[in-house]
Amino acid sequence: QVQLVESGGGVVQPGTSLRLSCAASGFTFSTYGMQWVRQAPGKGLEWLAAVSPDGSDEHHADSVKGRFTISRDNSKSALYMQMNSLRAEDTAVYYCAKTSSNWLNDALDFWGQGTMVTVSS
Amino acid sequence: EIVLTQSPATLSLSPGERATLSCRASQSINNYLAWYQQRPGQAPRLLIYDTFNRATGIPARFSGSGSGTDFSLTISSLEPEDFAVYYCQQRYTWPTFGPGTKVEIK
Repeated sequence: QVQLVESGGGVVQPGTSLRLSCAASGFTFSTYGMQWVRQAPGKGLEWLAAVSPDGSDEHHADSVKGRFTISRDNSKSALYMQMNSLRAEDTAVYYCAKTSSNWLNDALDFWGQGTMVTVSS
Repeated sequence: EIVLTQSPATLSLSPGERATLSCRASQSINNYLAWYQQRPGQAPRLLIYDTFNRATGIPARFSGSGSGTDFSLTISSLEPEDFAVYYCQQRYTWPTFGPGTKVEIK
């Protein structure tokens, strides 16, 4: 069955960096788009970034553009989010999610359980 | 950016009742609308994609409708496990989510 397992979250200070990982299994990773979505405590869902199956095309939300970078390693069935210049408002649960097709902007049919990132001094 | 508005913010109903949730887009989104369910402490789950298509394994009591800018999710008869928060999402442009509707037990 499809499994997505995020890791790399934690408590960090403002201005520092963190890299999140998402280990995928149970499907042919290299043939699906992947995305990151976050949820601040007690708030709604916010889309962050999407990447194409081969990693050649990527898009980021304006709120994180220039600070966050999505990437993938198909040889490892892994998705990443490099997060730089972290701010208090980046505190959230970060979910990786699989798109339902080979298009990077399709519905998200499987989600990981999320990893918590807390940015605090 | 396309803004999604959901109503009501909270829906108080009893098990067995019918729930109708609304989602309105700030511009036409050509039916590229999905609905997700999120139970407390869990990740979101895809229910409906492209307005009316049920995702794999989703019970038939969930149905989606609408077009252009106005969309609805209907739960024909609420089961105890359906009390949760529901989000709509558009993918006509880069994705945005609505603020959510909480379906709570009356």
